[in-house]
Amino acid sequence: AQKITQTQPGMFVQEKEAVTLDCTYDTSDPSYGLFWYKQPSSGEMIFLIYQGSYDQQNATEGRYSLNFQKARKSANLVISASQLGDSAMYFCAMREGFYNQGGKLIFGQGTELSVKP
Amino acid sequence: EPEVTQTPSHQVTQMGQEVILRCVPISNHLYFYWYRQILGQKVEFLVSFYNNEISEKSEIFDDQFSVERPDGSNFTLKIRSTKLEDSAMYFCASSSGGAADTQYFGPGTRLTVL
Repeated sequence: AQKITQTQPGMFVQEKEAVTLDCTYDTSDPSYGLFWYKQPSSGEMIFLIYQGSYDQQNATEGRYSLNFQKARKSANLVISASQLGDSAMYFCAMREGFYNQGGKLIFGQGTELSVKP
Repeated sequence: EPEVTQTPSHQVTQMGQEVILRCVPISNHLYFYWYRQILGQKVEFLVSFYNNEISEKSEIFDDQFSVERPDGSNFTLKIRSTKLEDSAMYFCASSSGGAADTQYFGPGTRLTVL
């Protein structure tokens, strides 16, 4: 069965520094997609970044990058140059099946990130 | 930029009452989903919907839940007889397909069952 584990319930980072949020996953399917979402205190879920299991390069989106280590089954989110507005809950999620369009997302427990001025 | 919208933002109801949560997915999307998040917990999948029928449902999605796409724009979740444990944030999401098939979430409806 697929599973997502986020072992850091909470993290602090100084403004302008980089931070890594950990995510490990478990699946027997060789094809899958990994996603990170941000949930600010207002409650909405904001898509940040996607990594496909067959992608050769780590995904990047602006200040967000995904450190994808397939053999270790990890998909850590790296936020560079943290900003106060980055303070939020961050969820890692996985969908099994590369072309499993319409497939469900399985979420981890989340990591609450606090950026200090 | 197109976005998923949900109404109401907050719904308070009495135990045993029926509620309907409404969503307008992104207009060219084909796949629709409902998730819920009990306060302080992770997001849980409820149901997915494609081509006017349920594609997949979780064990949470029992007979008291139903979904419908009554017209070309709305997607609804009905809870027939609410229980205290149904209190949660309910998220609607939609996706367009393709390799990534990224799901975009609405702002959520906070349901409080008294």
